[in-house]
Amino acid sequence: LAKTTQPISMDSYEGQEVNITCSHNNIATNDYITWYQQFPSQGPRFIIQGYKTKVTNEVASLFIPADRKSSTLSLPRVSLSDTAVYYCLGGGGYNKLIFGAGTRLAVHP
Amino acid sequence: DTGVSQNPRHKITKRGQNVTFRCDPISEHNRLYWYRQTLGQGPEFLTYFQNEAQLEKSRLLSDRFSAERPKGSFSTLEIQRTEQGDSAMYLCASSSKPSRQREGIFREKLFFGSGTQLSVL
Repeated sequence: LAKTTQPISMDSYEGQEVNITCSHNNIATNDYITWYQQFPSQGPRFIIQGYKTKVTNEVASLFIPADRKSSTLSLPRVSLSDTAVYYCLGGGGYNKLIFGAGTRLAVHP
Repeated sequence: DTGVSQNPRHKITKRGQNVTFRCDPISEHNRLYWYRQTLGQGPEFLTYFQNEAQLEKSRLLSDRFSAERPKGSFSTLEIQRTEQGDSAMYLCASSSKPSRQREGIFREKLFFGSGTQLSVL
């Protein structure tokens, strides 16, 4: 199972771009990399998912290098409402999704 | 699509009592997961089902925990003889069958409910 390592916390200010990097050295060749966002007292919410290279959607971008041993979630122009915990996961399909401790992002005015 | 529904949202019980939680997944989702989350930690995998079959159960889960998904639709999680250490948020998630992207590579996206917060006094 893919074990992931992320910074415990990050701070940013409104309007800035935030990049959260996740290390997953032993990710399996058949694993996707998925990022979830969680607000207090709510279940995690899917943000973005990718296998390699770059993926972009309406809320974020995901950069995955060729060796797939890490990935970077990029949040453009964060706002106060982006304050949350962000989880990086490898797995899915035959490999169940295992959450780490996540990264607590605090966005300040 | 009404999302994943969990009931109750909150449950307070006394130590030693049994509790049961219910999860209604998104219709047509054949996979259903249970996770447990304590303050400051990420969700911890408990068990998951594909249709009515329980495919895996965490080794960390004691025999006091049991989950069912009798008709492949809703699921229940029961905790017998609750202990204070069982206090946590219990999360349910569902997904459709992982889609095969290429040989041996599958994509899966989980949709979570809002959870049931259990407090054992």
